[in-house]
Amino acid sequence: DTGVSQDPRHKITKRGQNVTFRCDPISEHNRLYWYRQTLGQGPEFLTYFQNEAQLEKSRLLSDRFSAERPKGSFSTLEIQRTEQGDSAMYLCASSSTGIPEQFFGPGTRLTVL
Amino acid sequence: QKEVEQNSGPLSVPEGAIASLNCTYSDRGSQSFFWYRQYSGKSPELIMFIYSNGDKEDGRFTAQLNKASQYVSLLIRDSQPSDSATYLCAVNFPPSNTGKLIFGQGTTLQVKP
Repeated sequence: DTGVSQDPRHKITKRGQNVTFRCDPISEHNRLYWYRQTLGQGPEFLTYFQNEAQLEKSRLLSDRFSAERPKGSFSTLEIQRTEQGDSAMYLCASSSTGIPEQFFGPGTRLTVL
Repeated sequence: QKEVEQNSGPLSVPEGAIASLNCTYSDRGSQSFFWYRQYSGKSPELIMFIYSNGDKEDGRFTAQLNKASQYVSLLIRDSQPSDSATYLCAVNFPPSNTGKLIFGQGTTLQVKP
């Protein structure tokens, strides 16, 4: 399977704990996006990488959120001091420059108790 | 404010009928438009995208774009129960070089046997 992969698929944590999610994009894709989706809503953009550079961050991304893509391949999204409002599906998507289609991974469902 | 509007539904159609899903967007300068299908608990799956005014057909799906009216629609011919899902409209607003997508909240389609 050469699609976008995400790990873990589910994460349950207690309020105040830190969590980290991983995304592996389609191998030839240089662009990587993180989105967050809550029940009944469409995905909301969080941040975007082109190769290893983080080029845009949403105002939704508070100081507790950080994302990296150190070698321009996989990416990690860390949430520090989780809050119940962080409970959501975290989606990763990838694409290539000049090719508009974005393909999504299966998502990581986060539940903060 | 960059917005994508969809009627949340549910839209109910009988099997074999044509389902028509609609989407409006706020920025007349938008260039590319996407339709995703999302089954409950799963991630969005790209159906098709459209750039130019008019129709674009792919199998049972037809996307229609009217930039003057800031309106994009998706027609599903010969609807099947397996088409029952949430359909997300997404727009790449200018400046469009990042590929960032703004999503509507989605329309739930129910195809009844």
